[in-house]
Order: sequence, then C-alpha cells, then structure tokens
Amino acid sequence: AQTVTQSQPEMSVQEAETVTLSCTYDTSESDYYLFWYKQPPSRQMILVIRQEAYKQQNATENRFSVNFQKAAKSFSLKISDSQLGDAAMYFCAYFIGTGNQFYFGTGTSLTVIP
Amino acid sequence: DTGVSQDPRHKITKRGQNVTFRCDPISEHNRLYWYRQTLGQGPEFLTYFQNEAQLEKSRLLSDRFSAERPKGSFSTLEIQRTEQGDSAMYLCASSLERVFYEQYFGPGTRLTVT
Repeated sequence: AQTVTQSQPEMSVQEAETVTLSCTYDTSESDYYLFWYKQPPSRQMILVIRQEAYKQQNATENRFSVNFQKAAKSFSLKISDSQLGDAAMYFCAYFIGTGNQFYFGTGTSLTVIP
Repeated sequence: DTGVSQDPRHKITKRGQNVTFRCDPISEHNRLYWYRQTLGQGPEFLTYFQNEAQLEKSRLLSDRFSAERPKGSFSTLEIQRTEQGDSAMYLCASSLERVFYEQYFGPGTRLTVT
C-alpha cells in the first residue's frame, strides 16, 4: 500500500525562526517524486518544493529545503526565516509514474507567531 | 494564463440531487486530474485525463460519479444522487504530459450535501 504519514498535525514557529515539518512514506517503487505543497486558508494548493528520488542532493527553494533520506523513506521540510505568509496547511506527497497519481499525507497546520 | 479555475466555488445541494462541477486547466496542459479532499485529510485521487481520454479511475469513483473532458480542454465532474458522504472539497489539477509530476491545482469546489 502507498502511504504518506505526517505525524505532526499542528506546528508553530516564531517569525524569523526555523521550523521542520516531518514526513515519512511507504512505497515499493524505486522511481518516484516527492513534494511539499502549501495550502493557505484560501484553499488553493501551491507547490513548495520537489525532490526526485533518484537525486541524492537535497532540493532547496529559497527559504525552503528538504532532508531526503531514501533508505529511511523520510522527507522533511525545513522553513528558514519563517514569515507570516508561511502560515498554512502543508501536505507531503509523492507521485509514482506507473500509477500516475499523487498520494498525500494528512497535512501539518503551521502557525507563525509574530 | 491565470492558472487552473473551477466553477462553482461553493455548492449546496440536497441529498439525492445531481451536481456538476467544471474545471478549466492551464491552457497548454494536456493532463487533468480530479481529487477529493475531506476535512482534515489530504487530497485523494479520483481520476485523470490525458487530452480527452480518461486513463485512470480510483475505486473511490463510484458509479454515481462521472467525469468528462470532451475536447481535451475543460472537464466536468458530475455526481448523481448525492449523498451526505459526498460533502467535500473537489480539487482539479493540470499538468503537462512531459512534466506530469508538476501539477497545478485549482481553488476547488466545496460541496455541501444537506
């Protein structure tokens, strides 16, 4: 079964601080993609960062970076210098080409404290 | 192009009624996906199209659900004989075939069945 687990339903961080959101997944596939999506209160999902499973180097996008541990099937998101606009629900997801579908976690609600 | 759009944004219907939602993808995107998201959960895959062909359907898509993409552009999702359990956010996403894993989501249609 394809599953994604986000063990932190809620997280909070002080503005300008760093926070890490956790994600683990389970798949028997060797070729897949991992994603973090952000869903602000307006509900439109926005892609934050992507990681190809075949790449060893961790992806970074400005203040967002991931720690991808393929053997452990772990994919955490680090947000540096947190801003008020980072407050949202964050979903971890992975995509396997053979199934052509995403599998999403249950999300982590991030609050940024001014 | 302003992104993926969905109409309506909100729909309230009585149990047993039929409803239809529309999704307009990003114009050059030939893949279109439908997801359902219930409160406190991540999106769950329902079905996807490549151009006008419906290539995959989830077991979540009961026979009361039907989706079409007649000209490979916009898509409709119809739910017949709605049930209270159909209450959810219905999300549409689109992507290019060659970058199939990069999906851009619409704002969703929130369905409430009373």
